[in-house]
Amino acid sequence: EPEVTQTPSHQVTQMGQEVILRCVPISNHLYFYWYRQILGQKVEFLVSFYNNEISEKSEIFDDQFSVERPDGSNFTLKIRSTKLEDSAMYFCASSALDIYSNQPQHFGDGTRLSIL
Amino acid sequence: DQQVKQNSPSLSVQEGRISILNCDYTNSMFDYFLWYKKYPAEGPTFLISISSIKDKNEDGRFTVFLNKSAKHLSLHIVPSQPGDSAVYFCAASAWTGNQFYFGTGTSLTVIP
Repeated sequence: EPEVTQTPSHQVTQMGQEVILRCVPISNHLYFYWYRQILGQKVEFLVSFYNNEISEKSEIFDDQFSVERPDGSNFTLKIRSTKLEDSAMYFCASSALDIYSNQPQHFGDGTRLSIL
Repeated sequence: DQQVKQNSPSLSVQEGRISILNCDYTNSMFDYFLWYKKYPAEGPTFLISISSIKDKNEDGRFTVFLNKSAKHLSLHIVPSQPGDSAVYFCAASAWTGNQFYFGTGTSLTVIP
């Protein structure tokens, strides 16, 4: 069964540094998402992406965050200047159709981001 | 702003018995609901969904019930198996948006 893959599985970064989290969504999917889960808390939506642009973003997704689909397969999340509170599990998800079509999102296994 | 709530952080059930996981929501615009299962070190895996035009959806051992007037949904697993031990998240979306709102999860332990 096709799956969403994320790399790296664990990223350790110094505070203030830039970090790029990478995702390869399922190949025929058109909608892409990033979520994060701070340890012990709920999964929180960050951003959705369709047709090479952001379709929706949460208040968490401030100017320090950006997303990109640099080629036909990768979907990246960049945090420009990391803060301690950015430490979390970051999940990428993709879906074939949008939410209005009542389609589930398929998640990757996540990248654990640790900011020192 | 906790729009989706799972008030039980954990649940233990004997193998073979029924597991009932509950979820409440506050946003009356939500019209699509899902349950995800999550094992440690893995991402959430889609389990079952229900749209607001239905009040029940069944898939094998898993049944989701939706009570719109109470803004409540539940997941029934019967019979429960040890492999069902995981964290279960309910999630909801509204036709006005393109994101899912997740609950905080319920950790289910099925005791052999």
